[in-house]
Amino acid sequence: IQLTQSPSTLSTSVGDSVTITCRASQSIRSWLAWYQQKPGKAPKLLIYRASNLEDGVSSRFSGSGSGTEFSLTINSLQPDDFATYFCQQYDSSPYTFGQGTTLDIK
Amino acid sequence: QVQLQESGPGVLKPSETLSLTCSVSGGSMSGHYWGWIRQTPGKGLEFLGYLYSDGGSNYNPSLKGRFSIVVDESKNQFSLKLTSLTTADTAVYFCVRTRDGHYFDSWGPGILVSVSS
Repeated sequence: IQLTQSPSTLSTSVGDSVTITCRASQSIRSWLAWYQQKPGKAPKLLIYRASNLEDGVSSRFSGSGSGTEFSLTINSLQPDDFATYFCQQYDSSPYTFGQGTTLDIK
Repeated sequence: QVQLQESGPGVLKPSETLSLTCSVSGGSMSGHYWGWIRQTPGKGLEFLGYLYSDGGSNYNPSLKGRFSIVVDESKNQFSLKLTSLTTADTAVYFCVRTRDGHYFDSWGPGILVSVSS
């Protein structure tokens, strides 16, 4: 299953709200996770089952969608949020990841 | 809070076998799924596979039988073996804990492995 994220890069500012989209090549129901990765670090789980917030993750992050179209929204961007975000499907193996969306400071 | 740490060689030659170890601290290995993911600039994040503590496994078929995982709960470690290396196996390798065999809730910091003649 292929996952396509858009946009690839997003230039934004502190305080903005942004939405990242992840489209699956076939229905994955709600079996989607979102991760945040900073340069030189491992990815960090943010959201699972499309809309469930992982413990300890800020409520400024939210996920939605089902089937083939999903989104990750980040409200009131903070300096620490500028990173790369990946979606991952676990509907069927082999599990696959999107190519990533990088948020950079405008 | 479980913590993971990869260890192993950083440079290998084509046709050699890669062996990496992941040390687990801060939690029990029992009842969890333990796996590996790698990342390259070209292919991005690639799921390699995981092994459950009861021996059940899920490996990426793209690796064509070159990949295996072994879990040693007595040492709080699990390991990766990848045979018949090529330059395409050059990547950062992450060990991970897989929640319910689905998504990845704990990651090691990653280890860069370069395959070059």
